[in-house]
Amino acid sequence: AQTVTQSQPEMSVQEAETVTLSCTYDTSESNYYLFWYKQPPSRQMILVIRQEAYKQQNATENRFSVNFQKAAKSFSLKISDSQLGDTAMYFCARRSGNTPLVFGKGTRLSVIA
Amino acid sequence: GAVVSQHPSRVICKSGTSVKIECRSLDFQATTMFWYRQFPKQSLMLMATSNEGSKATYEQGVEKDKFLINHASLTLSTLTVTSAHPEDSSFYICSASGGGNNEQFFGPGTRLTVL
Repeated sequence: AQTVTQSQPEMSVQEAETVTLSCTYDTSESNYYLFWYKQPPSRQMILVIRQEAYKQQNATENRFSVNFQKAAKSFSLKISDSQLGDTAMYFCARRSGNTPLVFGKGTRLSVIA
Repeated sequence: GAVVSQHPSRVICKSGTSVKIECRSLDFQATTMFWYRQFPKQSLMLMATSNEGSKATYEQGVEKDKFLINHASLTLSTLTVTSAHPEDSSFYICSASGGGNNEQFFGPGTRLTVL
């Protein structure tokens, strides 16, 4: 099975500090896309960042960046200068072509004031 | 960015009744739509994939006669939960893709409670 694994069910971080959420995946595809989604208490899925597998450069979106290690099939998310509004569930996901997203089980992040 | 709406946002129904949930892509043509189910504190579980004008493809373990999916146009897909029972109570999320950027855009979800 082509799976996505998030090994940290829960994490916490002090406000203004940096936290890294881990994600590994399994795929036999050569071309695919990786995503991190945020799901706040409203339960709306919000795209945080995406990475094309064929790109070596790690994606960055303001305070959010990824460490994409293709050979190791690892795709971690780093949140810098954590804010209270970052408190949410975070899901790592993978997609190939037009197939549906495959999600990890999620990591619940709490930002503490 | 692309916007996906879902209606209703919340529904409470009696056991044995049917409930229809609509998913609309408001500013793009969704060639493919996906329906997910999410239980509390769990991840999204894919129920089915539908392409416009075609029959939906259901995931293993999802009853196609219970969860009827229609994708009759490029902007609308519906999920009908037939003869709903309390165990069908859950959060249902639709997602749509189109335009070739490999991104899925999510609706805000529908909370179904079956009494």
